[in-house]
Amino acid sequence: KQEVTQIPAALSVPEGENLVLNCSFTDSAIYNLQWFRQDPGKGLTSLLLIQSSQREQTSGRLNASLDKSSGRSTLYIAASQPGDSATYLCAVTSNTGNQFYFGTGTSLTVIP
Amino acid sequence: SAVISQKPSRDICQRGTSLTIQCQVDSQVTMMFWYRQQPGQSLTLIATANQGSEATYESGFVIDKFPISRPNLTFSTLTVSNMSPEDSSIYLCSVGRLSYEQYFGPGTRLTVT
Repeated sequence: KQEVTQIPAALSVPEGENLVLNCSFTDSAIYNLQWFRQDPGKGLTSLLLIQSSQREQTSGRLNASLDKSSGRSTLYIAASQPGDSATYLCAVTSNTGNQFYFGTGTSLTVIP
Repeated sequence: SAVISQKPSRDICQRGTSLTIQCQVDSQVTMMFWYRQQPGQSLTLIATANQGSEATYESGFVIDKFPISRPNLTFSTLTVSNMSPEDSSIYLCSVGRLSYEQYFGPGTRLTVT
């Protein structure tokens, strides 16, 4: 069964720092990988989607990379802001498209 | 993308009762899912809501406990039956778009006392 792990579980950085969140998965037979943001007690907001054939995706200050063969993805946040404080989740979709596996998340705090 | 709404946003219920959660999407979608997020945990898929047929449940979830309806391509309900404190969670619906990209509703925070 697919297992998705996110490291670190929590991260605290001063405003303005660049940071990297990590996501690893055990089965490389994936259709895509998606990064989400979740604010406390709220639903999930989609940030970036990377197809299995892609290496990276960018949106504003966010850049996500995918190394499918090694089972890893990273989310890079440039010039962090207090508004970036949230929990970041990665999720992989199985090759069949009908199974979704979520990581345990990284709780990010950006200190003003 | 898709705009998804859920009702209620939160509720406090007594043990042994049932709660029905509604999920409404602003456009027709084929794929609709229900997730549970227990306190401090990540998301676990409960079932895929199929329009016009019975939902497809994941291991550990059964129809008697979590009956799901999907009468059309924009609406679904999840009922949490005979609730116990262990059912206290956030329940989220999501829809799948092209390339299986998922979009989530705001969630329903359920507390069972």
